[in-house]
Amino acid sequence: KNEVEQSPQNLTAQEGEFITINCSYSVGISALHWLQQHPGGGIVSLFMLSSGKKKHGRLIATINIQEKHSSLHITASHPRDSAVYICAVMGRLGSTLGRLYFGRGTQLTVWP
Amino acid sequence: GAGVSQSPSNKVTEKGKDVELRCDPISGHTALYWYRQSLGQGLEFLIYFQGNSAPDKSGLPSDRFSAERTGGSVSTLTIQRTQQEDSAVYLCASSLGRDDTQYFGPGTRLTVL
Repeated sequence: KNEVEQSPQNLTAQEGEFITINCSYSVGISALHWLQQHPGGGIVSLFMLSSGKKKHGRLIATINIQEKHSSLHITASHPRDSAVYICAVMGRLGSTLGRLYFGRGTQLTVWP
Repeated sequence: GAGVSQSPSNKVTEKGKDVELRCDPISGHTALYWYRQSLGQGLEFLIYFQGNSAPDKSGLPSDRFSAERTGGSVSTLTIQRTQQEDSAVYLCASSLGRDDTQYFGPGTRLTVL
């Protein structure tokens, strides 16, 4: 069983659509990360959050600690948003302390 | 300032050879992480260094894998007697502290023939 589950695995959208990617986790966490990986492999950290909501441009990330769930939203999607989006959680207890656990990623393709 | 750098960017080796992969973290970052991404697979944690503390090696897949971090800065990941299943992209990341945003290097693509 994976500690982090993401959905959907693949997502196709038309330019301008509102996108939501979901992440559920099963371990106690100190923080949750949303990462973006473009073709060619480079990984960029989009958000790190431990409560509430964060916004950066057209991207919004929310987390519900009680429900162990986070969502990444993209408003007014654009073809340049096409990438793999990865949810990762950092453990906070015992042997999980400091480790990042990764979801399998969501491949987003936005068509013009 | 400079980001996280890794070398080499690509490495092709023969089965059974040893390889060393290098990571230069962002200056001043106390936390350093190694991850692996195999073809078609997700990211996998390998090892984590935090300051002068003993590293968390719990993600290393076998005793053929080892890593060290000298002077709290540069890190080297060593794979001994490489196997074909070791073929992957090896990524390094660093952060100011354990609970801070991680900055990823470009990775080293390792191919074991």
